[in-house]
Amino acid sequence: DTGVSQNPRHKITKRGQNVTFRCDPISEHNRLYWYRQTLGQGPEFLTYFQNEAQLEKSRLLSDRFSAERPKGSFSTLEIQRTEQGDSAMYLCASSSTQTGVNTEAFFGQGTRLTVV
Amino acid sequence: GEDVEQSLFLSVREGDSSVINCTYTDSSSTYLYWYKQEPGAGLQLLTYIFSNMDMKQDQRLTVLLNKKDKHLSLRIADTQTGDSAIYFCAESDNDMRFGAGTRLTVKP
Repeated sequence: DTGVSQNPRHKITKRGQNVTFRCDPISEHNRLYWYRQTLGQGPEFLTYFQNEAQLEKSRLLSDRFSAERPKGSFSTLEIQRTEQGDSAMYLCASSSTQTGVNTEAFFGQGTRLTVV
Repeated sequence: GEDVEQSLFLSVREGDSSVINCTYTDSSSTYLYWYKQEPGAGLQLLTYIFSNMDMKQDQRLTVLLNKKDKHLSLRIADTQTGDSAIYFCAESDNDMRFGAGTRLTVKP
């Protein structure tokens, strides 16, 4: 499977706990995006990386959220001290800019987080 | 305000054409996309158009772009019940911003 892979697919956690999600992008893609999607809404941009550099963070991304892409390949998204409002689907996508423009982004299946 | 806006619902009869509209605000958008999301499924890229194009056709799908008005549309010809889903418009320069999605319902 050469698509975008996200793990775990589902996560249930108690309020106040920390959670970490992983995304493995398409191997030749240098850009990696994180989005959050709640029921009935479109994906909300959280952050993106070009290689290992985090180039933009949304104002939606509070200081409880941190994302890393240490080697420019896989990425992790950590949420500390989870709150019920963090319950959502967390989506990862990747794309390539090797031709000088940003091509289409391909999405993973997402990690559904439920905070109880 | 919203960067990308779409109407929330569209209902058509099987065999008719569907037209889903989208407006965006970022004039530096390089690409504009249409994604499809079926219940419980991930986002599937349907088609995209580069900002210097005004039309792209791909089988039953036709994308029209009016860059001056920042208006994008997706036309689905001969709409089938399997086309029932949520359709998201997205624009991209560096990051990618999505609309709230249009729920297309196809009635037999």
